[in-house]
Amino acid sequence: DQQVKQNSPSLSVQEGRISILNCDYTNSMFDYFLWYKKYPAEGPTFLISISSIKDKNEDGRFTVFLNKSAKHLSLHIVPSQPGDSAVYFCAASPTGTASKLTFGTGTRLQVTL
Amino acid sequence: DGGITQSPKYLFRKEGQNVTLSCEQNLNHDAMYWYRQDPGQGLRLIYYSQIVNDFQKGDIAEGYSVSREKKESFPLTVTSAQKNPTAFYLCASQHGGTDTQYFGPGTRLTVL
Repeated sequence: DQQVKQNSPSLSVQEGRISILNCDYTNSMFDYFLWYKKYPAEGPTFLISISSIKDKNEDGRFTVFLNKSAKHLSLHIVPSQPGDSAVYFCAASPTGTASKLTFGTGTRLQVTL
Repeated sequence: DGGITQSPKYLFRKEGQNVTLSCEQNLNHDAMYWYRQDPGQGLRLIYYSQIVNDFQKGDIAEGYSVSREKKESFPLTVTSAQKNPTAFYLCASQHGGTDTQYFGPGTRLTVL
């Protein structure tokens, strides 16, 4: 039972354009969401988070949008850079904190020149 | 230089042998976590510990054991009871309830 779903296994975007990565969840108890970036054979690094009391959180080139009624969140990267090429994981927690995370299966982003 | 270390980076074991993966952190974090990642899948929680001498099972604890005798250390033992032990294992730590989880570099375990 996949409670956090990233339905696009891969995405290719040109440098300078916007990258939009999507994530859907089924558990209505989730109220804290995070995005992690991962390079091969390395641990994930935290990018940005959002709690359910907000619908948008921005940090530099990264913005996360949360639509609670649709149980959907998205990560926007603007402008996309070649160094953004990695696997992006969406994660969710029912505790209002970053504890007890449930991860999606990841989306591989490739930013082309 | 604070961080989370996992050793070794690559580990090979014969089927039927127990193996212990190391995770150490010098961030003074209270909580520590173990995940496994398989190809095409997300990270799945094996065990976690929120304080010393206490730990809880995650979603896929069968065939694994942990200990938390020191705040800095949270070793994971993959026992012979684990049916499919070959995977990439990630350790994470977290300071407080609201802080994010920080991950180590991972250990790739291959059971031959």
